Amino acid sequence: GEDVEQSLFLSVREGDSSVINCTYTDSSSTYLYWYKQEPGAGLQLLTYIFSNMDMKQDQRLTVLLNKKDKHLSLRIADTQTGDSAIYFCAESMSGNKLVFGAGTILRVKS
Amino acid sequence: GAVVSQHPSWVICKSGTSVKIECRSLDFQATTMFWYRQFPKQSLMLMATSNEGSKATYEQGVEKDKFLINHASLTLSTLTVTSAHPEDSSFYICSATGRGARDTEAFFGQGTRLTVV
Repeated sequence: GEDVEQSLFLSVREGDSSVINCTYTDSSSTYLYWYKQEPGAGLQLLTYIFSNMDMKQDQRLTVLLNKKDKHLSLRIADTQTGDSAIYFCAESMSGNKLVFGAGTILRVKS
Repeated sequence: GAVVSQHPSWVICKSGTSVKIECRSLDFQATTMFWYRQFPKQSLMLMATSNEGSKATYEQGVEKDKFLINHASLTLSTLTVTSAHPEDSSFYICSATGRGARDTEAFFGQGTRLTVV
């Protein structure tokens, strides 16, 4: 069945880089996503990567995809206190359904 | 970018009453809407998928008679929690995809925090 796993917690100092990891099981996923959720708020799409890509960079965000190992990572450069949130990876399934990981709590210490 | 508005942001209701949550796409036609539920410190679990003008498709384990979904127009879907119980307390989030929005993206509402007392 579908399963997406993430590390639960990450703590970094302001200015350092953050790397959040995710593994998924369905090799047929077309797109993989990273969402950010701030307390009590909905999800904000940060970035996504098409399954035939290895890397995508968008300003401070870098997504790496290892399709062979079914491993996805999100790197945030120069992490700021405003980046503190829960980050969810998700894989797309048929019918545009998304399967989410449990979320990684990112805490940025000033 | 496309905007999805969810209302209300939070609601408290008594056990046994029904609560309706609205999800609107403000600047695109939402041909498909998804309803998710999120328990504290857990991920989002898909409850159901609704396509405009047709019956919703519920995920396994979700009671369709308890969680009524209506998607009567291209801009509005509603989730009604009927005869609510305290165990229904949760964070409910909708998302939408459709014409005028990028195919790759599902846009999420702000979420509704339901507390049943």
